[in-house]
Amino acid sequence: DQQVKQNSPSLSVQEGRISILNCDYTNSMFDYFLWYKKYPAEGPTFLISISSIKDKNEDGRFTVFLNKSAKHLSLHIVPSQPGDSAVYFCAASITKLIFGAGTRLAVHP
Amino acid sequence: DTGVSQDPRHKITKRGQNVTFRCDPISEHNRLYWYRQTLGQGPEFLTYFQNEAQLEKSRLLSDRFSAERPKGSFSTLEIQRTEQGDSAMYLCASSLSPSGTATTNEKLFFGSGTQLSVL
Repeated sequence: DQQVKQNSPSLSVQEGRISILNCDYTNSMFDYFLWYKKYPAEGPTFLISISSIKDKNEDGRFTVFLNKSAKHLSLHIVPSQPGDSAVYFCAASITKLIFGAGTRLAVHP
Repeated sequence: DTGVSQDPRHKITKRGQNVTFRCDPISEHNRLYWYRQTLGQGPEFLTYFQNEAQLEKSRLLSDRFSAERPKGSFSTLEIQRTEQGDSAMYLCASSLSPSGTATTNEKLFFGSGTQLSVL
């Protein structure tokens, strides 16, 4: 059962524009959501998180939005930079983190 | 560097052999997780420890897999009688969590993983 879904396997964005990565979940018991970023041959690194009691969290160029009624969250990166090119994983937690399949973001000049 | 360390980085083995991986978490972290990742998928939970106690194990984890965390410090993951389907990246992560809490409202710090290839 895939409780956390990232339906877009890839996304290509021009440098300076906004990148929007989407994530859907099915379990209403999830109480915390995180985004991780992964470069090749490295482990995932934490990017930003949001509690289920909030609808927005911002950290520099990164903003995460949570829509609990739709069981949907999104990560906005503004402005996108070539160094943002990586695989982004959405994760949700109860007693452990459950990850989506990831979205590969390519930011081109 | 005081990050999560995993050893080895790569392991090639023949089907039927046993393999063991080691993870050294960030020293003050009380939780340690093992995940497995295959190509095109996200990390899949295997098991986790709070200190030396193994608190949860995925039902996907067959009896051929066993993990230990003696003394609540480093951890080992052993796979017995490896199969080609075991080929994956095995990731370890650690976190600092208030004792007794059941939720994971803290961020996990991942190691670089051990890439296992079973021939």
